[in-house]
Amino acid sequence: AQTVTQSQPEMSVQEAETVTLSCTYDTSESNYYLFWYKQPPSRQMILVIRQEAYKQQNATENRFSVNFQKAAKSFSLKISDSQLGDTAMYFCAFMKLRDDKIIFGKGTRLHILP
Amino acid sequence: ETGVTQSPTHLIKTRGQQVTLRCSSQSGHNTVSWYQQALGQGPQFIFQYYREEENGRGNFPPRFSGLQFPNYSSELNVNALELDDSALYLCASSTPRGGGPNEQFFGPGTRLTVL
Repeated sequence: AQTVTQSQPEMSVQEAETVTLSCTYDTSESNYYLFWYKQPPSRQMILVIRQEAYKQQNATENRFSVNFQKAAKSFSLKISDSQLGDTAMYFCAFMKLRDDKIIFGKGTRLHILP
Repeated sequence: ETGVTQSPTHLIKTRGQQVTLRCSSQSGHNTVSWYQQALGQGPQFIFQYYREEENGRGNFPPRFSGLQFPNYSSELNVNALELDDSALYLCASSTPRGGGPNEQFFGPGTRLTVL
């Protein structure tokens, strides 16, 4: 069975700083997808970034980037130049190939302080 | 393009009652997945419907059931409600495509409180 672990329940950083959210996962699959989702107070889950395990290059989306370490089963999210609108719950998630079931971690609550 | 919508927004029920939650999928999507998000937890997969058939189920008892209609909208039914069923219920729609994951688009959820 696959598991996703987020060891930081809550974090706070000042606006414009860089913050890194940690995630580890466990799987016996060799190919899979990893995601970071953002859930603001409005509750709508939004996809931030995704990584295909068969791609060695780390994914980036504007201010968001990941550090994917396949051997260590680690998948951290870096937010650069953080903004007040980044305040939200962030979930790390896993999905097997050809399977639409997403397995989520427990989340990290991120506060961006003015 | 209309996104995923869910109704109602909030719902309060008592133990033993039955509840129906509704989800309208995003235009062009034929797959709907349901997730339960307890307070302070990440969402947990309940089941998925693809073209009106159940297409995978998580570790939830049979009193959690669903339907998908020809227009691909969906219902989640929960019978014999228990206090632990209190949660945010999220619906996500997607459509199969080759070459990558089927990106799931989430609705805003229905907050169910069981007293």
